[in-house]
Amino acid sequence: EAQVTQNPRYLITVTGKKLTVTCSQNMNHEYMSWYRQDPGLGLRQIYYSMNVEVTDKGDVPEGYKVSRKEKRNFPLILESPSPNQTSLYFCASSLTGYFHTEAFFGQGTRLTVV
Amino acid sequence: TQLLEQSPQFLSIQEGENLTVYCNSSSVFSSLQWYRQEPGEGPVLLVTVVTGGEVKKLKRLTFQFGDARKDSSLHITAAQPGDTGLYLCAQSTHNNAGNMLTFGGGTRLMVKP
Repeated sequence: EAQVTQNPRYLITVTGKKLTVTCSQNMNHEYMSWYRQDPGLGLRQIYYSMNVEVTDKGDVPEGYKVSRKEKRNFPLILESPSPNQTSLYFCASSLTGYFHTEAFFGQGTRLTVV
Repeated sequence: TQLLEQSPQFLSIQEGENLTVYCNSSSVFSSLQWYRQEPGEGPVLLVTVVTGGEVKKLKRLTFQFGDARKDSSLHITAAQPGDTGLYLCAQSTHNNAGNMLTFGGGTRLMVKP
């Protein structure tokens, strides 16, 4: 089954403790991205990757890192999480990074930083 | 980044009613996508509109792209409880580094039986 898989689905952590949220897709998509979703603010793009070893900042990259060493994986790293990073996070992939291509989303990771 | 404004933010209606939600921008879209998100899930693509004035239908959902490609609407006929969810419009912007997908704030629809 074609899908985008994120882990974990839920995570509660403490301020400053490094964490990684994994994202994997099995559709051989070139383009992958991370979003955070907050009430009233919709989905905001954190980072995106056009292909392996090609990443760039989205609208809200501060406090996050990403890497794209393999085509299928695009982990999101929070080196020193803070409470303002409490949010619902989505990973998405598309066949390409060009216009009109459909984005397929994972089921989300609900992160709470205390 | 181009701002997408969706209205209304919230909509609560009875089963069988019709409704329209809007997505507007001050700039021209190259294309626009509509997604629907159910609780506990990620957004799922409903449609992509590309040409100014384009109308697309998906069962009881009708999507329209404005002639000037600066606005879009989603009309639902005879809404059903299964239509409940968050409706998001999104557009792609391209720069030298690649492509970004920008979402509007969404319209949260509740259809009561």
